Amino acid sequence: LAKTTQPISMDSYEGQEVNITCSHNNIATNDYITWYQQFPSQGPRFIIQGYKTKVTNEVASLFIPADRKSSTLSLPRASLSDTAVYYCLVGPSNNAGNMLTFGGGTRLMVKP
Amino acid sequence: DAGVIQSPRHEVTEMGQEVTLRCKPISGHDYLFWYRQTMMRGLELLIYFNNNVPIDDSGMPEDRFSAKMPNASFSTLKIQPSEPRDSAVYFCASSLTEDRGRGYGYTFGSGTRLTVV
Repeated sequence: LAKTTQPISMDSYEGQEVNITCSHNNIATNDYITWYQQFPSQGPRFIIQGYKTKVTNEVASLFIPADRKSSTLSLPRASLSDTAVYYCLVGPSNNAGNMLTFGGGTRLMVKP
Repeated sequence: DAGVIQSPRHEVTEMGQEVTLRCKPISGHDYLFWYRQTMMRGLELLIYFNNNVPIDDSGMPEDRFSAKMPNASFSTLKIQPSEPRDSAVYFCASSLTEDRGRGYGYTFGSGTRLTVV
């Protein structure tokens, strides 16, 4: 599985745009990029997934450059409730034996 | 669907006692995973099942840990005997075959916080 590297922590303020970048230099051709969010005392929750270019949903946007060696999760207007740990994962679309491996994640703190 | 249901939410036990954690996956999901989360080691995959069959248990830390899935709607993770270093939050997750690997189909339960004193 491709390894990922993310900042350990980030601070932001309410209303600001937050961008969390993840490096995955060894991403394979059939790997997808997925981001999870985890609040304290809860299990991780799927946020967004993409393969290339840009993906947007009601929660966030995911930007993936052409070489796919990195990706950026963007929260357009951070709120206090976005304070959480964000995990970037890569995995093939049809992996018979490999499971999702979570790295350390990025601990985002949104301040008032 | 109520999502992945884990019980108990909290468990405090004495060292040496047997502990059993329970999980009910989402109906229709054919994969079930057990993860453990600690501050030091983050989220670790312990074992996973496909169609009730254990596929990979290489993440199980020791023989004290065992997991079963007697049917499609129930799984247990047992620790016997428990030790203080087993204290962690244990998560169960389930997914569908066609979504595996892409992550979209992974739904986690709320976890069981285990404290071994």
